[in-house]
Amino acid sequence: DAGVTQSPTHLIKTRGQQVTLRCSPKSGHDTVSWYQQALGQGPQFIFQYYEEEERQRGNFPDRFSGHQFPNYSSELNVNALLLGDSALYLCASSENRDNTEAFFGQGTRLTVV
Amino acid sequence: AQSVSQHNHHVILSEAASLELGCNYSYGGTVNLFWYVQYPGQHLQLLLKYFSGDPLVKGIKGFEAEFIKSKFSFNLRKPSVQWSDTAEYFCAVNAPGNNRLAFGKGNQVVVIP
Repeated sequence: DAGVTQSPTHLIKTRGQQVTLRCSPKSGHDTVSWYQQALGQGPQFIFQYYEEEERQRGNFPDRFSGHQFPNYSSELNVNALLLGDSALYLCASSENRDNTEAFFGQGTRLTVV
Repeated sequence: AQSVSQHNHHVILSEAASLELGCNYSYGGTVNLFWYVQYPGQHLQLLLKYFSGDPLVKGIKGFEAEFIKSKFSFNLRKPSVQWSDTAEYFCAVNAPGNNRLAFGKGNQVVVIP
């Protein structure tokens, strides 16, 4: 049973460019959340998708957007990249019910130069 | 919104020493509590979780945590660490019905053989 898979694992982009990161949730999971983990910090919640809609959003600008597909996989898009967007981006999947745990992927390391 | 505090961000100890990592959260309502571990080069993995019931929770690899509601704390303990416990440890919290996680900044633990 595959866990959460993310692609690509590493990415280097230039300031001002746009990037798309991808996530496939664990089998049986229908909810996908995205987190940003800056160096030396804990993961920060970006947003969560369920039934192909953004259900919750953290304190991130509109440059960060996402999508969920009918097969529950998800994309994170970041426009107009800033140097400060350099971070590890984590995808987590879970079931849509109370008292459940999130399973994390290995993340995509984004470097903006 | 919930917030989580972890202190002593860098911990260095010898094998067989005891480990205790502190976690305090700020949220007035009922919470779910988690400890995640990130071994070098690996994804975030769940060590243990608390939803309700016995406040002393046992997790994988000999770890345990105690929920003290009056102190808003969920400290992690292991009586005797091994070199393989070298990792970063994150405390996280969410509210029931809302599986958006708030993480602390993490504890980098290094165990010297």
